[in-house]
Amino acid sequence: KAGVTQTPRYLIKTRGQQVTLSCSPISGHRSVSWYQQTPGQGLQFLFEYFSETQRNKGNFPGRFSGRQFSNSRSEMNVSTLELGDSALYLCASSLERSNSPLHFGNGTRLTVT
Amino acid sequence: SQQGEEDPQALSIQEGENATMNCSYKTSINNLQWYRQNSGRGLVHLILIRSNEREKHSGRLRVTLDTSKKSSSLLITASRAADTASYFCASDYGNNRLAFGKGNQVVVIP
Repeated sequence: KAGVTQTPRYLIKTRGQQVTLSCSPISGHRSVSWYQQTPGQGLQFLFEYFSETQRNKGNFPGRFSGRQFSNSRSEMNVSTLELGDSALYLCASSLERSNSPLHFGNGTRLTVT
Repeated sequence: SQQGEEDPQALSIQEGENATMNCSYKTSINNLQWYRQNSGRGLVHLILIRSNEREKHSGRLRVTLDTSKKSSSLLITASRAADTASYFCASDYGNNRLAFGKGNQVVVIP
């Protein structure tokens, strides 16, 4: 079974631009979560989707948005990029959130210059 | 130990030694999970312990959960160089999100 796939692996953008990151979950997994990882803040929850519905959202500004498609694939978008958005963005999927572990992709490394 | 506010801990041990990491959480949980992360890569799930369990084993891993103290520990026995990684605990409060600790960086010296 293929794991969680995130594309692209690396991105370099300049301030003010916008970016879209993609995540393909493990086949059969309907829950997709996104996390931002930085050295200073650690792993911070962005949002979680299940069957195309956002069930929970972290404490991030409205510039961060996401969506999930009917095939469970998910995208997240960051508009008006800031230097502080430089981070490793991790996507994870699971069968169902209750008592199910997360399966993470290898992340997208975003650098904002 | 890990919790949301603390700085990451670093642990350096010799191959063959045991490594113990601690984690605390804030309120009642559904379960607590441990993950490993190798540099620059995604997290790998290691073990999940439910709130009604006190101890769980998986290979060389042993996890304990003390709900009265709101804490958990991860023990890696007979460590290997390949165990060098960052280890994170994550609390599941049942709200469709995990709250991760800051992580423990473990270096196993061959």
